[in-house]
Amino acid sequence: EAGVAQSPRYKIIEKRQSVAFWCNPISGHATLYWYQQILGQGPKLLIQFQNNGVVDDSQLPKDRFSAERLKGVDSTLKIQPAKLEDSAVYLCASSTGTGVEKLFFGSGTQLSVL
Amino acid sequence: GQNIDQPTEMTATEGAIVQINCTYQTSGFNGLFWYQQHAGEAPTFLSYNVLDGLEEKGRFSSFLSRSKGYSYLLLKELQMKDSASYLCAVPGDSNYQLIWGAGTKLIIKP
Repeated sequence: EAGVAQSPRYKIIEKRQSVAFWCNPISGHATLYWYQQILGQGPKLLIQFQNNGVVDDSQLPKDRFSAERLKGVDSTLKIQPAKLEDSAVYLCASSTGTGVEKLFFGSGTQLSVL
Repeated sequence: GQNIDQPTEMTATEGAIVQINCTYQTSGFNGLFWYQQHAGEAPTFLSYNVLDGLEEKGRFSSFLSRSKGYSYLLLKELQMKDSASYLCAVPGDSNYQLIWGAGTKLIIKP
């Protein structure tokens, strides 16, 4: 079974530039999550989708971050403009549905903002 | 409120046993997860406890005490490949989204 696919693996940009990350969840998984993980910290949920609807985006900095999952499958996360404090690993995860269940993570995108 | 505490770092010797503790505070309780995360990689699921007691899975075991708000991960016969961060997480009140601890970095020495 294919896992969660993410790209790119690494990205280096300058502050004020824009960047986009892509995620393709495990086939059949209805729920998709984007997490931000700063070095030495646990993952912080940015946004959670159920199919193509947003379940929770309360911690998404909406002035600069946006995410979509138009057809309820793959998803993109965008940052525009980037700030130095956005340097982190961006993890995509998926699960089969709602409720308490384990998450399957992609390899993540390591973003460095200079 | 909701809060999770774990030690920041632990060191152990290859072949030994180590216990990684996690304490949590939640208004409700819907189980506790442990994940392993190697440096530069994504977290991978280790265990999920919803009832009190010890659950054993090979070299790894996880314990839960709901009355004490306490869990631990027990790793036996440590191997160098066990060097990683170990994260505990509990489902929050809203949509069961996971609340994560900062993780415990485990260093294994020969």
